[in-house]
Amino acid sequence: GQNIDQPTEMTATEGAIVQINCTYQTSGFNGLFWYQQHAGEAPTFLSYNVLDGLEEKGRFSSFLSRSKGYSYLLLKELQMKDSASYLCAYMDSNYQLIWGAGTKLIIKP
Amino acid sequence: GAVVSQHPSRVICKSGTSVKIECRSLDFQATTMFWYRQFPKQSLMLMATSNEGSKATYEQGVEKDKFLINHASLTLSTLTVTSAHPEDSSFYICSARGAADYEQYFGPGTRLTVT
Repeated sequence: GQNIDQPTEMTATEGAIVQINCTYQTSGFNGLFWYQQHAGEAPTFLSYNVLDGLEEKGRFSSFLSRSKGYSYLLLKELQMKDSASYLCAYMDSNYQLIWGAGTKLIIKP
Repeated sequence: GAVVSQHPSRVICKSGTSVKIECRSLDFQATTMFWYRQFPKQSLMLMATSNEGSKATYEQGVEKDKFLINHASLTLSTLTVTSAHPEDSSFYICSARGAADYEQYFGPGTRLTVT
């Protein structure tokens, strides 16, 4: 099947830390992507994990556990401009991206 | 990073007319291009996958005679929405991938409004 789940919406405070979780079930897996999408714009690439563990890139980090079918995106030192939707997607055995519905992140001052 | 352009960024057309959207990879050869549609507050929905020189593979429920896709070169793919109807109004996004790459590079999207 092609099941991938992430929360619909999250709220966080400027300067704080937020973790967006993503779970998936698939028989074929070639990595997990996180994209950021501002309203009315196309997605922009944030991270790609294919091995277990944490990948850190500036204020953003992404974690993967293949055995648990679980990933998270960690955003530190939140800024107002981080208000956006965050999409997780796994790449299946045909190298096609299977998208989650996206998590709308609202940052409050 | 790799750059993908889309044209036009916005288009308004009358019901029954056809609209062509272009997707270009500007600094790399895109062996595979993807066309997505996104309705407000919903996730990306893959419409079709096209490989250069081959016929596009359409997802279930997407009418290939209505959404014509041409991927004639390694840098250009086009999506033509034929006989457009108001329910075709949506945000259409293309992405491109090179031969030795897993990442998809997205175009800026095209906002189609059918009146």
